[in-house]
Amino acid sequence: QSALTQPASVSGSPGQSITISCTGTSSDVVGYNYVSWYQQHPGKAPKLMIYDVSNRPSGVSNRFSGSKSGNTASLTISGLQAEDEADYYCSSYTTSSTLVFGGGTKVTVL
Amino acid sequence: QLQLQESGPGLVKPSETLSLTCTVSGGSISSSSYYWGWIRQPPGKGLEWIGSIYYSGSTYYNPSLKSRVTISVDTSKNQFSLKLSSVTAADTAVFYCARHPARITMVRGVIVNWYFDLWGRGTLVTVSS
Repeated sequence: QSALTQPASVSGSPGQSITISCTGTSSDVVGYNYVSWYQQHPGKAPKLMIYDVSNRPSGVSNRFSGSKSGNTASLTISGLQAEDEADYYCSSYTTSSTLVFGGGTKVTVL
Repeated sequence: QLQLQESGPGLVKPSETLSLTCTVSGGSISSSSYYWGWIRQPPGKGLEWIGSIYYSGSTYYNPSLKSRVTISVDTSKNQFSLKLSSVTAADTAVFYCARHPARITMVRGVIVNWYFDLWGRGTLVTVSS
Protein backbone atom coordinates (compact mmCIF):
# COMPACT_ATOMS: atom_id res chain seq x y z
CA GLN A 1 0.00 0.00 0.00
CA SER A 2 1.31 3.45 -0.90
CA ALA A 3 1.36 6.35 1.51
CA LEU A 4 -1.14 9.13 1.01
CA THR A 5 0.36 12.30 -0.50
CA GLN A 6 0.68 15.41 1.61
CA PRO A 7 2.65 18.63 0.98
CA ALA A 8 5.89 18.68 2.93
CA SER A 9 5.17 22.07 4.43
CA VAL A 10 2.51 24.74 4.73
CA SER A 11 2.87 28.11 6.41
CA GLY A 12 0.70 31.01 7.40
CA SER A 13 0.56 34.08 9.58
CA PRO A 14 -1.33 34.24 12.86
CA GLY A 15 -5.04 34.67 12.27
CA GLN A 16 -4.92 33.34 8.73
CA SER A 17 -6.44 30.11 7.46
CA ILE A 18 -4.42 27.32 5.94
CA THR A 19 -5.41 24.08 4.25
CA ILE A 20 -3.44 20.84 4.15
CA SER A 21 -4.26 18.39 1.39
CA CYS A 22 -4.11 14.61 1.50
CA THR A 23 -4.34 12.85 -1.84
CA GLY A 24 -5.18 9.19 -2.20
CA THR A 25 -6.70 6.72 -4.63
CA SER A 26 -9.86 4.78 -5.29
CA SER A 27 -8.55 2.16 -2.86
CA ASP A 28 -8.57 4.50 0.09
CA VAL A 29 -9.64 8.17 0.22
CA VAL A 30 -12.09 7.93 -2.66
CA GLY A 31 -13.75 4.76 -1.51
CA TYR A 32 -14.32 5.44 2.17
CA ASN A 33 -15.24 8.25 4.52
CA TYR A 34 -12.63 7.03 6.97
CA VAL A 35 -10.05 9.79 6.72
CA SER A 36 -8.57 11.07 9.95
CA TRP A 37 -6.06 13.77 10.86
CA TYR A 38 -3.45 13.90 13.62
CA GLN A 39 -1.39 16.72 15.09
CA GLN A 40 2.07 15.94 16.42
CA HIS A 41 4.29 18.32 18.32
CA PRO A 42 8.03 17.53 18.54
CA GLY A 43 8.76 14.67 20.90
CA LYS A 44 5.09 14.03 21.56
CA ALA A 45 2.59 11.38 20.56
CA PRO A 46 0.14 12.21 17.79
CA LYS A 47 -3.24 13.66 18.77
CA LEU A 48 -6.46 12.94 16.91
CA MET A 49 -7.91 16.14 15.43
CA ILE A 50 -10.47 14.92 12.88
CA TYR A 51 -12.01 11.51 12.24
CA ASP A 52 -14.32 10.12 9.56
CA VAL A 53 -13.45 13.03 7.24
CA SER A 54 -15.07 15.86 9.17
CA ASN A 55 -15.83 14.90 12.76
CA ARG A 56 -14.06 16.63 15.62
CA PRO A 57 -13.38 14.74 18.85
CA SER A 58 -14.50 16.34 22.06
CA GLY A 59 -12.00 18.96 23.20
CA VAL A 60 -10.57 19.77 19.77
CA SER A 61 -10.92 23.41 18.77
CA ASN A 62 -13.57 24.23 16.16
CA ARG A 63 -10.81 26.09 14.29
CA PHE A 64 -9.97 22.67 12.87
CA SER A 65 -12.21 21.29 10.15
CA GLY A 66 -12.01 18.48 7.63
CA SER A 67 -13.51 17.77 4.24
CA LYS A 68 -13.14 15.52 1.22
CA SER A 69 -13.62 15.90 -2.50
CA GLY A 70 -12.83 13.07 -4.88
CA ASN A 71 -9.41 11.67 -4.14
CA THR A 72 -8.34 14.55 -1.88
CA ALA A 73 -9.10 15.10 1.78
CA SER A 74 -8.30 18.42 3.41
CA LEU A 75 -7.67 19.78 6.87
CA THR A 76 -8.31 23.48 7.35
CA ILE A 77 -7.01 25.42 10.30
CA SER A 78 -8.68 28.79 10.68
CA GLY A 79 -7.50 31.61 12.93
CA LEU A 80 -3.98 30.17 12.91
CA GLN A 81 -2.25 30.33 16.28
CA ALA A 82 1.35 29.80 17.37
CA GLU A 83 0.35 26.59 19.15
CA ASP A 84 -0.82 25.13 15.84
CA GLU A 85 2.79 24.86 14.67
CA ALA A 86 3.31 21.10 14.43
CA ASP A 87 3.39 18.18 12.05
CA TYR A 88 0.06 16.95 10.68
CA TYR A 89 -0.69 13.49 9.33
CA CYS A 90 -3.70 12.18 7.49
CA SER A 91 -4.70 8.54 7.39
CA SER A 92 -7.28 6.46 5.57
CA TYR A 93 -8.82 3.03 5.66
CA THR A 94 -8.12 0.97 2.53
CA THR A 95 -9.81 -1.74 0.53
CA SER A 96 -7.33 -4.24 1.95
CA SER A 97 -8.76 -3.70 5.46
CA THR A 98 -5.64 -1.82 6.43
CA LEU A 99 -4.69 1.70 7.39
CA VAL A 100 -2.36 4.00 5.49
CA PHE A 101 -0.86 7.29 6.64
CA GLY A 102 0.26 10.31 4.67
CA GLY A 103 3.87 11.43 4.70
CA GLY A 104 3.14 14.35 6.99
CA THR A 105 3.01 18.13 6.64
CA LYS A 106 4.99 20.59 8.73
CA VAL A 107 2.91 23.64 9.57
CA THR A 108 4.85 26.80 10.32
CA VAL A 109 3.29 29.86 11.88
CA LEU A 110 5.16 32.86 10.52
CA GLN B 1 -8.75 7.89 32.79
CA LEU B 2 -7.54 5.14 30.50
CA GLN B 3 -3.83 5.23 29.71
CA LEU B 4 -1.50 3.23 27.49
CA GLN B 5 2.16 2.56 28.28
CA GLU B 6 4.70 0.92 26.01
CA SER B 7 7.56 -1.10 27.47
CA GLY B 8 10.41 -3.21 26.20
CA PRO B 9 14.11 -3.17 25.31
CA GLY B 10 15.43 0.05 23.85
CA LEU B 11 18.17 -1.72 21.93
CA VAL B 12 17.84 -4.79 19.72
CA LYS B 13 20.54 -6.46 17.64
CA PRO B 14 20.13 -6.92 13.87
CA SER B 15 18.42 -10.17 12.84
CA GLU B 16 16.86 -10.57 16.30
CA THR B 17 13.22 -10.16 17.32
CA LEU B 18 11.91 -6.89 18.71
CA SER B 19 9.36 -7.40 21.48
CA LEU B 20 7.21 -4.69 23.01
CA THR B 21 4.26 -4.68 25.39
CA CYS B 22 1.52 -2.13 25.83
CA THR B 23 -0.14 -2.04 29.25
CA VAL B 24 -3.65 -0.65 29.44
CA SER B 25 -4.48 1.02 32.75
CA GLY B 26 -7.65 2.67 33.98
CA GLY B 27 -9.86 0.43 31.86
CA SER B 28 -10.25 -3.06 30.47
CA ILE B 29 -8.58 -4.30 27.32
CA SER B 30 -11.48 -6.75 27.05
CA SER B 31 -13.93 -3.98 26.24
CA SER B 32 -15.89 -4.83 23.11
CA SER B 33 -15.69 -1.16 22.14
CA TYR B 34 -12.06 -1.02 21.11
CA TYR B 35 -9.34 -2.46 18.94
CA TRP B 36 -5.72 -1.92 19.99
CA GLY B 37 -2.96 -1.01 17.57
CA TRP B 38 0.74 -0.48 17.03
CA ILE B 39 2.20 2.38 15.00
CA ARG B 40 5.87 3.22 14.44
CA GLN B 41 7.76 6.34 13.44
CA PRO B 42 11.41 6.23 12.31
CA PRO B 43 13.43 9.21 13.56
CA GLY B 44 12.54 12.30 11.54
CA LYS B 45 10.03 10.41 9.40
CA GLY B 46 6.32 9.74 9.19
CA LEU B 47 3.91 7.36 10.85
CA GLU B 48 3.43 3.76 9.76
CA TRP B 49 0.60 1.53 10.97
CA ILE B 50 1.86 -1.93 11.95
CA GLY B 51 -1.29 -3.75 12.95
CA SER B 52 -4.22 -3.98 15.32
CA ILE B 53 -5.88 -6.57 17.57
CA TYR B 54 -9.23 -7.12 19.29
CA TYR B 55 -9.51 -8.65 22.75
CA SER B 56 -10.75 -11.83 21.10
CA GLY B 57 -7.47 -12.13 19.19
CA SER B 58 -8.76 -11.00 15.81
CA THR B 59 -6.01 -9.12 13.99
CA TYR B 60 -5.29 -6.83 11.07
CA TYR B 61 -1.74 -6.36 9.78
CA ASN B 62 0.09 -4.01 7.44
CA PRO B 63 0.83 -6.19 4.38
CA SER B 64 4.34 -4.79 4.08
CA LEU B 65 5.22 -6.07 7.56
CA LYS B 66 2.88 -9.01 7.91
CA SER B 67 5.51 -11.70 7.33
CA ARG B 68 7.56 -10.43 10.28
CA VAL B 69 4.88 -9.23 12.70
CA THR B 70 2.87 -10.94 15.42
CA ILE B 71 0.47 -9.03 17.63
CA SER B 72 -1.07 -10.82 20.60
CA VAL B 73 -3.28 -9.97 23.55
CA ASP B 74 -3.19 -11.10 27.19
CA THR B 75 -6.50 -10.11 28.76
CA SER B 76 -5.45 -11.44 32.18
CA LYS B 77 -2.65 -8.87 32.28
CA ASN B 78 -4.55 -6.15 30.41
CA GLN B 79 -1.76 -6.05 27.86
CA PHE B 80 -1.16 -6.50 24.18
CA SER B 81 2.18 -7.17 22.56
CA LEU B 82 4.18 -6.73 19.38
CA LYS B 83 6.85 -9.00 18.00
CA LEU B 84 8.83 -7.95 14.93
CA SER B 85 11.31 -10.53 13.68
CA SER B 86 14.52 -10.29 11.66
CA VAL B 87 14.99 -6.62 12.42
CA THR B 88 17.44 -4.36 10.62
CA ALA B 89 18.54 -0.78 11.17
CA ALA B 90 15.55 0.30 9.08
CA ASP B 91 13.29 -0.87 11.90
CA THR B 92 14.74 1.72 14.29
CA ALA B 93 11.77 3.83 15.34
CA VAL B 94 9.58 5.18 18.08
CA PHE B 95 6.85 2.62 18.59
CA TYR B 96 3.43 3.76 19.77
CA CYS B 97 0.52 1.71 21.02
CA ALA B 98 -2.92 3.21 20.53
CA ARG B 99 -6.62 2.55 20.80
CA HIS B 100 -9.20 2.67 18.08
CA PRO B 101 -12.93 2.44 18.64
CA ALA B 102 -15.08 -0.43 17.44
CA ARG B 103 -18.73 -1.35 17.63
CA ILE B 104 -20.68 -4.56 17.45
CA THR B 105 -23.57 -4.89 15.04
CA MET B 106 -26.05 -7.73 14.77
CA VAL B 107 -25.55 -8.14 11.04
CA ARG B 108 -21.88 -7.39 10.41
CA GLY B 109 -20.32 -8.31 13.73
CA VAL B 110 -17.48 -6.11 14.94
CA ILE B 111 -17.00 -2.90 12.95
CA VAL B 112 -13.66 -1.17 13.37
CA ASN B 113 -13.38 2.60 13.38
CA TRP B 114 -10.13 3.33 11.63
CA TYR B 115 -8.75 6.15 13.69
CA PHE B 116 -6.73 6.24 16.90
CA ASP B 117 -8.29 8.28 19.68
CA LEU B 118 -5.83 7.49 22.46
CA TRP B 119 -2.07 7.01 22.20
CA GLY B 120 0.75 5.91 24.48
CA ARG B 121 3.77 8.17 24.86
CA GLY B 122 5.91 5.98 22.62
CA THR B 123 9.16 4.13 23.14
CA LEU B 124 12.31 4.37 21.04
CA VAL B 125 13.76 1.09 19.83
CA THR B 126 17.16 1.19 18.20
CA VAL B 127 18.42 -1.69 16.09
CA SER B 128 22.19 -1.85 16.33
CA SER B 129 24.95 -4.30 17.09
